[in-house]
Amino acid sequence: DAKTTQPTSMDCAEGRAANLPCNHSTISGNEYVYWYRQIHSQGPQYIIHGLKNNETNEMASLIITEDRKSSTLILPHATLRDTAVYYCIVRPYIYNQGGKLIFGQGTELSVKP
Amino acid sequence: NAGVTQTPKFQVLKTGQSMTLQCAQDMNHNSMYWYRQDPGMGLRLIYYSASEGTTDKGEVPNGYNVSRLNKREFSLRLESAAPSQTSVYFCASSEARGQWNQPQHFGDGTRLSIL
Repeated sequence: DAKTTQPTSMDCAEGRAANLPCNHSTISGNEYVYWYRQIHSQGPQYIIHGLKNNETNEMASLIITEDRKSSTLILPHATLRDTAVYYCIVRPYIYNQGGKLIFGQGTELSVKP
Repeated sequence: NAGVTQTPKFQVLKTGQSMTLQCAQDMNHNSMYWYRQDPGMGLRLIYYSASEGTTDKGEVPNGYNVSRLNKREFSLRLESAAPSQTSVYFCASSEARGQWNQPQHFGDGTRLSIL
């Protein structure tokens, strides 16, 4: 299973874009990159996922490098409610099993006024 | 929208007691999962059920048993609780068959303390 490397913590000013990097240099061709976040004491929340193209939804954008060895999650206008631990996960595929998630330490993002 | 519901939310047990954690989802998902999260750490997979009638071990299955009661419900049982099993337990579900890249949806967790 491909492993991911993320910074332990980051700060971001409220209203500014938060750019969270993730390194996954051993990713395989059929592995997706997923991002989840966990707000204190709550269950993880799905944010976005992608294979090789950049993706955008109502929460965030995901930029994946052409070689797929790294990616960046972008929260375009961070708010205080975005303070959370963000997990970058490369999801191994097992046919017909939905794919298990392997969580690392994640990045603790603090959005400051 | 209920999503994934876990019961109870909090529980305190004495060493050696047994307990079953309940999980139910109303999204008609095929796959269900049990994770534990220790302080300051990411989630670790205990057991999962790819579909009704099947269960498989995850990263840390020792000391636990599971039952996929039906498509909606997936329970986790501690037969003889130990202090090392003090943790927050999360249940999750996802669609699986033919749609392997679907995200998992999580419950709000059960906070379990074993004295």
